[in-house]
Amino acid sequence: KQEVTQIPAALSVPEGENLVLNCSFTDSAIYNLQWFRQDPGKGLTSLLLIQSSQREQTSGRLNASLDKSSGRSTLYIAASQPGDSATYLCAVGMNSGYSTLTFGKGTMLLVSP
Amino acid sequence: NAGVTQTPKFRVLKTGQSMTLLCAQDMNHEYMYWYRQDPGMGLRLIHYSVGEGTTAKGEVPDGYNVSRLKKQNFLLGLESAAPSQTSVYFCASTISFGFSTGELFFGEGSRLTVL
Repeated sequence: KQEVTQIPAALSVPEGENLVLNCSFTDSAIYNLQWFRQDPGKGLTSLLLIQSSQREQTSGRLNASLDKSSGRSTLYIAASQPGDSATYLCAVGMNSGYSTLTFGKGTMLLVSP
Repeated sequence: NAGVTQTPKFRVLKTGQSMTLLCAQDMNHEYMYWYRQDPGMGLRLIHYSVGEGTTAKGEVPDGYNVSRLKKQNFLLGLESAAPSQTSVYFCASTISFGFSTGELFFGEGSRLTVL
């Protein structure tokens, strides 16, 4: 059974700092990995989608990398802002034919002014 | 675009009552999912559908039923609600590429309390 772990569970940084969020998974037979953002009381918003054949994806100040062989992904946030405060979740899609995602429990990020 | 819309957004039930959550998407997505999110447990898949008229069980299907009579709608039913089903329910949808899927779009959630 695929297990997805996100470390740390919570992170507090001052505005302007560059930071890295980590995601690890136990089964490397994935077809994609997604990073999501969730604001309190809201649904999840997709930030970046990496297909298994890709190594990284970038969107603005966000960069996500994928290393399938080691079962790891990182989300890099450059020049963090208070508006980046949210919970960040990663999810992996398996090559099982079931087209479902397994989610980590998320990293709660607080960026203070 | 409305994207993924869930109704109702809030509901309080008594133990044993039944209800249906409706999810509607306007993106012509083949795949639709129902998740529940609980503190400390993360998101867990209840049921999903890979096309109109098809449904399948996820990780925590007991106590729930689903139907996908139209491509744009995915219904989640609770036949006899229990306090353990108090949770926030999320619907999601995505497009199929055959070998993979696209990004997942989520609704805003439905907060259900069972007394």
